[in-house]
Amino acid sequence: GAGVSQTPSNKVTEKGKYVELRCDPISGHTALYWYRQSLGQGPEFLIYFQGTGAADDSGLPNDRFFAVRPEGSVSTLKIQRTERGDSAVYLCASSPGTPGGREQFFGPGTRLTVL
Amino acid sequence: AQTVTQSQPEMSVQEAETVTLSCTYDTSESNYYLFWYKQPPSRQMILVIRQEAYKQQNATENRFSVNFQKAAKSFSLKISDSQLGDTAMYFCAFTKGDAGKSTFGDGTTLTVKP
Repeated sequence: GAGVSQTPSNKVTEKGKYVELRCDPISGHTALYWYRQSLGQGPEFLIYFQGTGAADDSGLPNDRFFAVRPEGSVSTLKIQRTERGDSAVYLCASSPGTPGGREQFFGPGTRLTVL
Repeated sequence: AQTVTQSQPEMSVQEAETVTLSCTYDTSESNYYLFWYKQPPSRQMILVIRQEAYKQQNATENRFSVNFQKAAKSFSLKISDSQLGDTAMYFCAFTKGDAGKSTFGDGTTLTVKP
């Protein structure tokens, strides 16, 4: 079956612009996660959805970052007024059911470059 | 807050030999899960092995096994009979029992040499 997909694979934008990153989870997976991975570091948690609702958004760095999952499937991570420090690979992952130590299935990521 | 530390930024091993990657973590939780994920150069991360904290028996998956020392908060990964395809970055991760998010270490880059 299809894995987690993310679009675009690469995004180059200018400082101050708005960007949207999309994640298509594995069909039927109710949990969806967004992480940010800077060069040479491990993924850093941003937000976790269970169904349509954000169950934990404690990792969002500030109010420029926002994510939605309106129908409980596809999710969009939105970044306003981008800054050079936002440059990173944004990873999406999904898992079936409620947490409890389930494996997370990762997408290939979107590489965001802010000039 | 939980922290995960991987003290070996880079390691190398000869093909067919055994290598151990280290991971330590800090938590006050009693119910949690530990993971090793592999991220090949193409970037998509995949699960290697998973351990429940309440289980004393170390998890094994074919050539991959862990040494889980709960009291010492240590969770190392042993790769036996290393293969060229094992070349990747390896991440240790911690998840609290009822939580969704995982906390990752900064990774160990493993190179398997022919």
